[in-house]
Amino acid sequence: KAGVTQTPRYLIKTRGQQVTLSCSPISGHRSVSWYQQTPGQGLQFLFEYFSETQRNKGNFPGRFSGRQFSNSRSEMNVSTLELGDSALYLCASSLDSAASGNTIYFGEGSWLTVV
Amino acid sequence: AQSVTQPDIHITVSEGASLELRCNYSYGATPYLFWYVQSPGQGLQLLLKYFSGDTLVQGIKGFEAEFKRSQSSFNLRKPSVHWSDAAEYFCAVVLTDSWGKLQFGAGTQVVVTP
Repeated sequence: KAGVTQTPRYLIKTRGQQVTLSCSPISGHRSVSWYQQTPGQGLQFLFEYFSETQRNKGNFPGRFSGRQFSNSRSEMNVSTLELGDSALYLCASSLDSAASGNTIYFGEGSWLTVV
Repeated sequence: AQSVTQPDIHITVSEGASLELRCNYSYGATPYLFWYVQSPGQGLQLLLKYFSGDTLVQGIKGFEAEFKRSQSSFNLRKPSVHWSDAAEYFCAVVLTDSWGKLQFGAGTQVVVTP
């Protein structure tokens, strides 16, 4: 079956602009989470959505937001971009809970460069 | 504070030699544990996971990991590395009450020499 799909893969934005990244989870997965990866801070959790509701949130400013649609697809938005927002943004999907058979799968990521 | 620690930022290993990557966690309860691998410019690929049961778990690409509750550790091993194992390796944990919220270690960069 298809994996986690993220679009776009690469993008360049200017400071002050906003950006929207998209994530299509694996079919049947209702939990979608987002992570930011930078050389300095490593992998940091942004937020997690389940059934269109934000279930967990990391320590990021309000400029970072997300949403999930009824088909479980998710988008994240970053407004008023700063140079420090340049990063690889990773989306992950999984089934609902921590049942023993569950795994959290990652997409290939969206590379954002802010200039 | 809750944390995941990978003490080794960088490891160099000869092709054919064994590899062990360390991971320690600090949580009140035993979390669910994962090891992921990331090749340059790529996303994260799951190598293996531990939820419960047998403390020695087998993963893909010949990797295995051992969970030791007494040491709060989940170390990754491979008996004989291949040049294609050069990558960055991340240990990650998730708590049962916050499924979907992975906390990652800083990662260990593995370099494989001929």
